Amino acid sequence: GENVEQHPSTLSVQEGDSAVIKCTYSDSASNYFPWYKQELGKRPQLIIDIRSNVGEKKDQRIAVTLNKTAKHFSLHITETQPEDSAVYFCAASRGGATNKLIFGTGTLLAVQP
Amino acid sequence: ETGVTQSPTHLIKTRGQQVTLRCSSQSGHNTVSWYQQALGQGPQFIFQYYREEENGRGNFPPRFSGLQFPNYSSELNVNALELDDSALYLCASSLVGQGNIQYFGAGTRLSVL
Repeated sequence: GENVEQHPSTLSVQEGDSAVIKCTYSDSASNYFPWYKQELGKRPQLIIDIRSNVGEKKDQRIAVTLNKTAKHFSLHITETQPEDSAVYFCAASRGGATNKLIFGTGTLLAVQP
Repeated sequence: ETGVTQSPTHLIKTRGQQVTLRCSSQSGHNTVSWYQQALGQGPQFIFQYYREEENGRGNFPPRFSGLQFPNYSSELNVNALELDDSALYLCASSLVGQGNIQYFGAGTRLSVL
């Protein structure tokens, strides 16, 4: 069935270091891959997304890479700051009429000042 | 802010009761999806409504039902509540044809005792 695996489940970095979170999806028909940041008690907030027709997308300190052959995609955060601390979720979707998102299990990122 | 609002914020029910959760989508969005997020887990897709019709459903029993109204509001109804229904319930609105990007509300925290 449809499944998204996400690693690591927790990640602790020093302020200024880089953080990388990796996801693997099972549905080869997936073509849309968003990343959400969820702070404690708050809504999931879309931070970046990528579609299957590109291999990489960057927005300031955040970048996402996609390897369709391996069905892997990754989130890269550079120059981490304490306000980056949150739970990050990857997701995959086929798009189309029912664009349901299949989420990973989340990564708790802690940025130590 | 995403323009997606949910009510109530918190709710406590007892096993066997029925509950209705409400969501107001971002203006103009014709699609609403509902997700269940158990503590420490990623959101799980319940179902999606497009132009007031259900057009996709996840692995949830029929006691989970929904409605979408012409004014972009929607409801999630859960009958015969079980203890395992305790979770954060999130709605997300999107516009078909505009990349299907989903914007989440802050959720309703349901506790079943």
